[in-house]
Amino acid sequence: EVQLVESGGGLVPPGGSLRLSCEASGFTFSTFEMNWVRQSPGKGLQWIAYISSGAINIFYADSVKGRFTISRDNDRGSLFLEMNSLRAEDTAVYYCVRAPTVMSPQIFWGQGTPVAVSS
Amino acid sequence: EIQMTQSPTSLSASVGDRVTITCRASHSISTDLHWYQQKPGKAPKLLIYDASNLQSGVPSRFSASGSETEFTLTISSLQPDDFGTYFCQQSYSSLWTFGQGTKVEIK
Repeated sequence: EVQLVESGGGLVPPGGSLRLSCEASGFTFSTFEMNWVRQSPGKGLQWIAYISSGAINIFYADSVKGRFTISRDNDRGSLFLEMNSLRAEDTAVYYCVRAPTVMSPQIFWGQGTPVAVSS
Repeated sequence: EIQMTQSPTSLSASVGDRVTITCRASHSISTDLHWYQQKPGKAPKLLIYDASNLQSGVPSRFSASGSETEFTLTISSLQPDDFGTYFCQQSYSSLWTFGQGTKVEIK
């Protein structure tokens, strides 16, 4: 069974840092592209970061570029999001999301971890 | 960036009604379009992948069609459990984008 379990969310003051983790199981993690998507309270879904299977290609949304860093450890089956210089507008639930492939066309989401940026 | 425009933003319908939600892409995305249902406090649930493929376990009253820039999600006979917000998403570009969402309420 495919599972994505996020952790590391919490309350952090403006300007602070947080590191999110996503533990993957039930599939060959190293062969899948991965993403982070967030959802602010009462708002829609916003893609924020992408990493290719071998971490060669990485993309960010403009809203987090220069502040957030996506990375992965294929040996451990883990995805990370390092978040620095956090702002109130970064308050959201953060989801770890597996990208589709030709052989596995379904997009798979974790349950999310909440991040609140407030003093 | 590929813009996804979803309509309507909300709707209220009765049990048994046929409901249609539309999603338009600013550029052609082939059939790299997915539909989700989300309920409060929960992660999005995949309903349809690749524009028209019903995800395993999703009731057959859900269907979808479209390609290139025009896509629709249809609920053939609305049920009480179908309340929630529905989102479309394109994965044609690695920079995913989502529709704004359609909130479905049961009258």
